[in-house]
Amino acid sequence: NAGVMQNPRHLVRRRGQEARLRCSPMKGHSHVYWYRQLPEEGLKFMVYLQKENIIDESGMPKERFSAEFPKEGPSILRIQQVVRGDSAAYFCASSPADRGQETQYFGPGTRLLVL
Amino acid sequence: GEDVEQSLFLSVREGDSSVINCTYTDSSSTYLYWYKQEPGAGLQLLTYIFSNMDMKQDQRLTVLLNKKDKHLSLRIADTQTGDSAIYFCAEKASNSGYALNFGKGTSLLVTP
Repeated sequence: NAGVMQNPRHLVRRRGQEARLRCSPMKGHSHVYWYRQLPEEGLKFMVYLQKENIIDESGMPKERFSAEFPKEGPSILRIQQVVRGDSAAYFCASSPADRGQETQYFGPGTRLLVL
Repeated sequence: GEDVEQSLFLSVREGDSSVINCTYTDSSSTYLYWYKQEPGAGLQLLTYIFSNMDMKQDQRLTVLLNKKDKHLSLRIADTQTGDSAIYFCAEKASNSGYALNFGKGTSLLVTP
């Protein structure tokens, strides 16, 4: 059973470009979470999605950031017009539905560097 | 917001026990987790404990929870060099339902 998959693992963008980060949850998982880790910091929650629904995006910046989890295909975290402060590791996690404990299993992350 | 705090660095000799400590402030925390992050890698779930438990043991790992003091610890017995990594404490509060709140991580260095 493959774990959570993220791609690309590393992404370099120049200021003003767009970054698209992809996450495929574990098989059988329908809940996806995105977290951001700034250098020497813990992970900060950004957004929680289920298939075709954004449940909670309270941790996501109001501008330039968006997320989706379509009926088919991976979840996408999109950052428009990137700035240097967006440089960070972005982690996706998934959990199964209908389990009270809902342990979140993390992917390897995408490390975004904005030049 | 609620804070999760950890000491930043711990160094132990191979074969000794390591104890990593964490404090949290949210009294409504339901689950508390320990994750391990190796350099350049994602987070690996090590263990978790439900808030109505005091202790949980899993092979070389022992988790102790003092709910009164809001203190969580992870003990690694017979620490090996492969245990060198960053260890994150995280809580899930009942009012968030899902978002995990992480500490900044404790870097564990195991020396031969």
